[in-house]
This record gives sequence, structure tokens and C-alpha cells, in this order.
Amino acid sequence: EIVLTQSPGTLSLSPGERATLSCRASQSVINNYLDWYQQKPGQAPRLLIYGASNRATGVPDRFSGSRSGTDFTLTISRLEPEDLAVYYCQQYGSSGYSFGQGTKLEIK
Amino acid sequence: QVQLQESGPGLVKPSQTLSLACTVSGGSISSGHNYWCWIRQPAGKGLEWIGCILTRGSTSGSTYYNPSLTSRVTISLDASENQFSLRLTSVTAADTAVYYCARDPGGNGYSNFDSWGQGTLVTVSS
Repeated sequence: EIVLTQSPGTLSLSPGERATLSCRASQSVINNYLDWYQQKPGQAPRLLIYGASNRATGVPDRFSGSRSGTDFTLTISRLEPEDLAVYYCQQYGSSGYSFGQGTKLEIK
Repeated sequence: QVQLQESGPGLVKPSQTLSLACTVSGGSISSGHNYWCWIRQPAGKGLEWIGCILTRGSTSGSTYYNPSLTSRVTISLDASENQFSLRLTSVTAADTAVYYCARDPGGNGYSNFDSWGQGTLVTVSS
């Protein structure tokens, strides 16, 4: 089973700043089956990035994803107040799906 | 884009069976290549995949479960009602969570949950 470890646990930044969220996989993720979700308080998760670097429909281009080996990164280039949320990475592999523990993004 | 809506009891007694349904609108549950899935989230905690059922031609009905839950989980499909369902047996307080249904449109060459229900809170308590 692939374990996803997200860091940092909490990130506190100001509007306009750049946010970098990390997701490290315990072993290789096949076919770039690594996605990112945004979960705002009281809401269901929303797909942001699929296949490591593809923006989902309607997602602003401030959000981008990248991969380097077993390290995946979600970058939010210019933070806005509505980006307050918990962000999860998720992978699909031979044992099914698994999620990281989440990064909470606070907006100062 | 399809819409999903969970329904079922909000309170289940310990040792009993949790049963939820997810109604799909905006498209037929039987068409295309999709994984219809259940995911849960205890209060203040992260997301846990429970399992999925596949619809894809002759392989429709195949199920895939989280190894940690497989002995207690059954996911089934009712195409006539455009619904899929979750049964979780022998529940304990640890099964208290918001339960989401979601779709993975596996036929697009990727694997992701692109549509989610709003979630339903299930509390296990006597």
C-alpha cells in the first residue's frame, strides 16, 4: 500500500503570497495517478488537479501541480482569501485509493 | 456533470449494519466507464476510501474494497433506481463519520474523484 505524507501540516500565509504544498509517496505512483483536492469548511472535497499536473474544469490557473520522482507539489501562485481550506493529495494503485493526511492552509 | 446525493439513517446502533444509498442524476449510472465509490471522513480528520463498484460493459458490477474494511463492506448497484449502495456491518463508534459518495470516471485514462455528493453524517451510538 502506498502511503502519502503531506507537509506542512498547517501553512499560514497572506493574500498574494505563493503557497507550496508537498505530498511524498512511499513508493512510485503509477501512471501519474496522483490528484489534489480542496476541501473548504463544511463542504465536500473538490478536485483541483488530476494526473499530477492537469487542472480540473473550472480551476483557476493560479493552481498548478508538478512531480519529481515520488514527490508531488501543489502550488498556488497568488493566494486569495477564498483559498482557505484543507488540501489533500490522493493516489490510485494496486491496493486501491489512498489519501494524504491533508495540509491546512490559513490565510492571514 | 453528474450530481450525487447520499441518503440513509443518521444514527446507527453499535453492532448493527450501516446502510446508505447514493442517487445519481444528470446521467445513467450504467453508461460509460465509471467507478462509483464511497469515502468517509471522521470529524476533524482526513479522508478514507471505503470501496467502489465498476460499471463498464461486461465487467460491470466488479467491486473493490479498502483492505482494512473488506470483511465488513458491500457495495451494490441498482441501475433501475440509478443508485448505488453501501452496507457496513458490525459498526462501532469508530465508524462515525461523514460518508461521501463519489465518481471516478476511469474511462478518461486517469483516476480521480471528479463528482462528489454533499456528504451525510452517520453517528454510531446506542
